[in-house]
Amino acid sequence: ETGVTQTPRHLVMGMTNKKSLKCEQHLGHNAMYWYKQSAKKPLELMFVYSLEERVENNSVPSRFSPECPNSSHLFLHLHTLQPEDSALYLCASSQAGTGVYEQYFGPGTRLTVT
Amino acid sequence: RKEVEQDPGPFNVPEGATVAFNCTYSNSASQSFFWYRQDCRKEPKLLMSVYSSGNEDGRFTAQLNRASQYISLLIRDSKLSDSATYLCVGGGSGAGSYQLTFGKGTKLSVIP
Repeated sequence: ETGVTQTPRHLVMGMTNKKSLKCEQHLGHNAMYWYKQSAKKPLELMFVYSLEERVENNSVPSRFSPECPNSSHLFLHLHTLQPEDSALYLCASSQAGTGVYEQYFGPGTRLTVT
Repeated sequence: RKEVEQDPGPFNVPEGATVAFNCTYSNSASQSFFWYRQDCRKEPKLLMSVYSSGNEDGRFTAQLNRASQYISLLIRDSKLSDSATYLCVGGGSGAGSYQLTFGKGTKLSVIP
């Protein structure tokens, strides 16, 4: 399935590095999301973009910086991360509107911060 | 705090068995509910939406009880391929309508 793609699939970075995660959706959706999934915890919503505007920022540290240049692409820029930021980062997309719509996930980027 | 609570399991059942999962949600304003399935080290995939009237998709039946704020998933005639973690998900309304709240998941192992 290639509805939502993410690159890279795996990333190892040091605490002083800067890297970016990329997400692309081919479903014609107009809302995109970043989630963090750590072991033994439920998915945590980080950011929501609807019609290319950020509509949700769930108290995420500033070392995570999202960017949504258009409705099909979403980036997560990472800098000076901490080891506890190691997790699976999932991108999702959905329709946007007055209701709540099903979200479709990409395969995720497994991030390890050393 | 808006939460979705699930029994983490694991549920170990033989092939062909019927298994039921329940979850409860605390946000009474939630309007939409879903079940997702997540295989080990993979992304969550939508299994089915949950409607007030209940809905069925093959061997899977989902029910919503708004009065008691719980959602259920019934799997009949379990297959080995059903082994996965099942995530109960609730969606808010109004200003929080974009946000889906995920449970921690219930792990199912179907045994030959």
